[in-house]
Amino acid sequence: DARVTQTPRHKVTEMGQEVTMRCQPILGHNTVFWYRQTMMQGLELLAYFRNRAPLDDSGMPKDRFSAEMPDATLATLKIQPSEPRDSAVYFCASGRGSSNTEAFFGQGTRLTVV
Amino acid sequence: GQSLEQPSEVTAVEGAIVQINCTYQTSGFYGLSWYQQHDGGAPTFLSYNALDGLEETGRFSSFLSRSDSYGYLLLQELQMKDSASYFCAVQGSGNTGKLIFGQGTTLQVKP
Repeated sequence: DARVTQTPRHKVTEMGQEVTMRCQPILGHNTVFWYRQTMMQGLELLAYFRNRAPLDDSGMPKDRFSAEMPDATLATLKIQPSEPRDSAVYFCASGRGSSNTEAFFGQGTRLTVV
Repeated sequence: GQSLEQPSEVTAVEGAIVQINCTYQTSGFYGLSWYQQHDGGAPTFLSYNALDGLEETGRFSSFLSRSDSYGYLLLQELQMKDSASYFCAVQGSGNTGKLIFGQGTTLQVKP
């Protein structure tokens, strides 16, 4: 049963701490998205990779957020330092090829920064 | 840039038909997708339209008019389990596959 795996599922951290979220895309998928979901902003695209190369990270606050794909089986989203306004659910999704007719979402990481 | 508009809430009764509209503005366009998300869950893919017309998948259908920058999701024979949020998403042009989501429409199905 192929699926996108995200860890951790829940994270509570103190303001100022570093947070790293991990995502394992579906094997064979070459596209990875990071989204942030809040009640106010809906699903915001933070970063987008194809074949491990970042294609678009214009939605990501560059001063504290960074996204990488060290290899084809792992994508990471890091926040340093974290702030209370970063509290949200962070979703990773993967897709196949350039047509990308379907994005498969992981279960998300629910982040709370206190 | 890209933006999408859809109603924030829709209410309907079990067994009814409901249509959720989506208008979009984008500098390039490749396709329109629809996703369903239940409370506490992840978005799941429902349908995709790249060409004008209607795509049918069981009780759900999706329509696209590229000339009007408009699409809709049609849900028939509503069931209580259809209560969820529904998102339209635009796939950007240039074959990049970038997916931008609307704010979502919360559908409440009542008995």
